[in-house]
Amino acid sequence: AQSVTQPDIHITVSEGASLELRCNYSYGATPYLFWYVQSPGQGLQLLLKYFSGDTLVQGIKGFEAEFKRSQSSFNLRKPSVHWSDAAEYFCAVGQFLFSGGYNKLIFGAGTRLAVHP
Amino acid sequence: DSGVTQTPKHLITATGQRVTLRCSPRSGDLSVYWYQQSLDQGLQFLIQYYNGEERAKGNILERFSAQQFPDLHSELNLSSLELGDSALYFCASSVRANTEAFFGQGTRLTVV
Repeated sequence: AQSVTQPDIHITVSEGASLELRCNYSYGATPYLFWYVQSPGQGLQLLLKYFSGDTLVQGIKGFEAEFKRSQSSFNLRKPSVHWSDAAEYFCAVGQFLFSGGYNKLIFGAGTRLAVHP
Repeated sequence: DSGVTQTPKHLITATGQRVTLRCSPRSGDLSVYWYQQSLDQGLQFLIQYYNGEERAKGNILERFSAQQFPDLHSELNLSSLELGDSALYFCASSVRANTEAFFGQGTRLTVV
């Protein structure tokens, strides 16, 4: 069965420090991969996606992620964290349809990011 | 603002009752998804509709049902509510199956 693992439940970084959030997936075919962010009391905002092509993808708010097939990973990175980045981050994989695309997202448990001033 | 609108934002109701959650997808999006977010289960897929037709079902309880109308808005009906149904219910939409999904702000349901 497809699954997504986010090994870190909580991460705390200092403002201005670099950030890497880990995501590992279990999926047989080429995955559709996503990172979403959820601020307190808010919905899920799409940060970036990987469907195919260049394995390093750029997203909004200065985030990037790298797809590594050999490691079944799709880690999220940001070179310098801002206090406003404090939120919960979810990695997700789209369950593939033989007709193309995906019909649902399988989410990891999330990583809660705290940012110290 | 993702362009996906969910109403109401908050709902408090008693056990045994029935509620309807409404979702208006982004303009042009044909696919609508419903997800449930709870502390113990995390984010779980419930059901997907595409252009009015049910396309996929997840761990949706028999007490729950959904539909997508000709104008593409969708409703999620929850009946015989139990305390454990308290959760945040998200709607998402996408243009097609191979494009990214955008989420609404969610409806927080509290069953007392």
